[in-house]
Amino acid sequence: GNSVTQMEGPVTLSEEAFLTINCTYTATGYPSLFWYVQYPGEGLQLLLKATKADDKGSNKGFEATYRKETTSFHLEKGSVQVSDSAVYFCALSEAGANSKLTFGKGITLSVRP
Amino acid sequence: ETGVTQTPRHLVMGMTNKKSLKCEQHLGHNAMYWYKQSAKKPLELMFVYSLEERVENNSVPSRFSPECPNSSHLFLHLHTLQPEDSALYLCASSQELVSGNTIYFGEGSWLTVV
Repeated sequence: GNSVTQMEGPVTLSEEAFLTINCTYTATGYPSLFWYVQYPGEGLQLLLKATKADDKGSNKGFEATYRKETTSFHLEKGSVQVSDSAVYFCALSEAGANSKLTFGKGITLSVRP
Repeated sequence: ETGVTQTPRHLVMGMTNKKSLKCEQHLGHNAMYWYKQSAKKPLELMFVYSLEERVENNSVPSRFSPECPNSSHLFLHLHTLQPEDSALYLCASSQELVSGNTIYFGEGSWLTVV
């Protein structure tokens, strides 16, 4: 079956530090890949997505590239802000199937001033 | 404002109570979902509806009963719940039930079963 593996957390960074959050997946075919973010007390919001190999999703300074050869979709940001403190979820939807998402466990990011 | 509205935001219920969670989407979408978010566990898909028809039930206990009266509204009826059912219940919608479609989430309903 499909699965998404995220690096263990939590992650604590200082403001303006570089961020990488690893995500790898197992799926048949070419799934669509997503990063969602959950701010404290809120629901999930789509951060970015990529629907085919080598696509790069980007939003709010965050980027992730769909790497089929390494089955990865790592999230990066060059300079994090305190307001980026949240829980980040990597997810996939299976190719040729419906849009339901399989999520990773999520990772908590805390950014210190 | 996310386009997907859930009420109530917080609910405390006893194990013998019957209550309902309500979800409304203002996006004109055709697919709706219920997810459960528990501490230290990945988000779990519970139910999927497409054009008001249930297309997936992910082995959810019968004490959870979904209802989709139209494409804009989704309910989750709760009865005789257990304390381990305490969680954040997230409603979501997408334009179609097609891989790659973005799923939009509501802010969730925090449920505590006492």
